[in-house]
Amino acid sequence: QQQVKQSPQSLIVQKGGISIINCAYENTAFDYFPWYQQFPGKGPALLIAIRPDVSEKKEGRFTISFNKSAKQFSLHIMDSQPGDSATYFCAASVITGGGNKLTFGTGTQLKVEL
Amino acid sequence: NAGVTQTPKFQVLKTGQSMTLQCAQDMNHEYMSWYRQDPGMGLRLIHYSVGAGITDQGEVPNGYNVSRSTTEDFPLRLLSAAPSQTSVYFCASSYEAGGSYNEQFFGPGTRLTVL
Repeated sequence: QQQVKQSPQSLIVQKGGISIINCAYENTAFDYFPWYQQFPGKGPALLIAIRPDVSEKKEGRFTISFNKSAKQFSLHIMDSQPGDSATYFCAASVITGGGNKLTFGTGTQLKVEL
Repeated sequence: NAGVTQTPKFQVLKTGQSMTLQCAQDMNHEYMSWYRQDPGMGLRLIHYSVGAGITDQGEVPNGYNVSRSTTEDFPLRLLSAAPSQTSVYFCASSYEAGGSYNEQFFGPGTRLTVL
């Protein structure tokens, strides 16, 4: 059972456009929602994360939107650049009460074209 | 700091062989974990450790063993490799085991092929 569902599987965006990746989760105990960015041949690296007590978090060109009632969250990349071409993973974790185990989505391969 | 290091980078095994994937971190992190990454399936947790001497199973533990004798090292052992264990393996660590929001730092990965 996939506890975190991610879409789309792949995405092609023109330079300067907006990239949007969506995730939905099942477990209402999740209380930490990070996004990881992975370049070919490298390990994932934390991009941005949100807690469920806020609806939006912005860091530079990257924004997480969070809808607790719908159990959905999304990553928006504004002014997408070729250097943003990578695989993006959403994830979720239960932090409260201990533990740091991440449940990942299946990933979105983003390509930003010139 | 070297961060999280993994060896080897690539490995080819025959079915039934055993091997150990090495993971080390020099950040004095309490929490360490192993994930496997397969196409279309994201990363799945194999085993994790909340401190030296303490380990537990993740989502896909079968066929793998771990131990944590020191804070720095967290090796992953394949006792009898199977083709289904062909994957890319990532080790990760974070400062605290839980109770706060901790960034997990991932190593560069080990690409394992089992023939």
